[in-house]
Amino acid sequence: KNEVEQSPQNLTAQEGEFITINCSYSVGISALHWLQQHPGGGIVSLFMLSSGKKKHGRLIATINIQEKHSSLHITASHPRDSAVYICATPETSGSRLTFGEGTQLTVNP
Amino acid sequence: DTGVSQNPRHKITKRGQNVTFRCDPISEHNRLYWYRQTLGQGPEFLTYFQNEAQLEKSRLLSDRFSAERPKGSFSTLEIQRTEQGDSAMYLCASVESGTGYGYTFGSGTRLTVV
Repeated sequence: KNEVEQSPQNLTAQEGEFITINCSYSVGISALHWLQQHPGGGIVSLFMLSSGKKKHGRLIATINIQEKHSSLHITASHPRDSAVYICATPETSGSRLTFGEGTQLTVNP
Repeated sequence: DTGVSQNPRHKITKRGQNVTFRCDPISEHNRLYWYRQTLGQGPEFLTYFQNEAQLEKSRLLSDRFSAERPKGSFSTLEIQRTEQGDSAMYLCASVESGTGYGYTFGSGTRLTVV
């Protein structure tokens, strides 16, 4: 069974700071998802990646398959980035996801 | 296609009552998942469907829970004789099983059992 761990659990930053959230998993995977959840519950998929790095706006996700580790970076953080960020891994393509417990990010103005 | 739709968004019910939630997935997606999320935790798998077939159920899914996807399109999740411990966010997601791309979540149904 894959175990997914995230750190930190809670993160408070000042607007403009560079943010890093880490995710480690125990079993080899086909891909890793980074998800964002705002108060109210809806989950939005930010990235799915299986190697290297992906960038979308101020968000960057990297993955190291050998080390079973991924990071989500936010550059020039803004209060609207405040949310819970969750990493999740499927066992195979399209299979159910195993989720980390999430990182609560608060960006203060 | 407007993504994955879940109804209702919120449900407050008295203990012992039955509740039913609905999920409308993305039409091209053949696989549909139900997850449950309690406060401060990541979502946990409940069950999934490949088209109309329910292929796996978590041990979290007691016999008070039942899920259907009768025509391989929308799905329903019913909880009978609700208990306070059932209070949670119930999330639905759909995906095309072949590629794994396009994993899309609904906004969830928040259940409060009083």
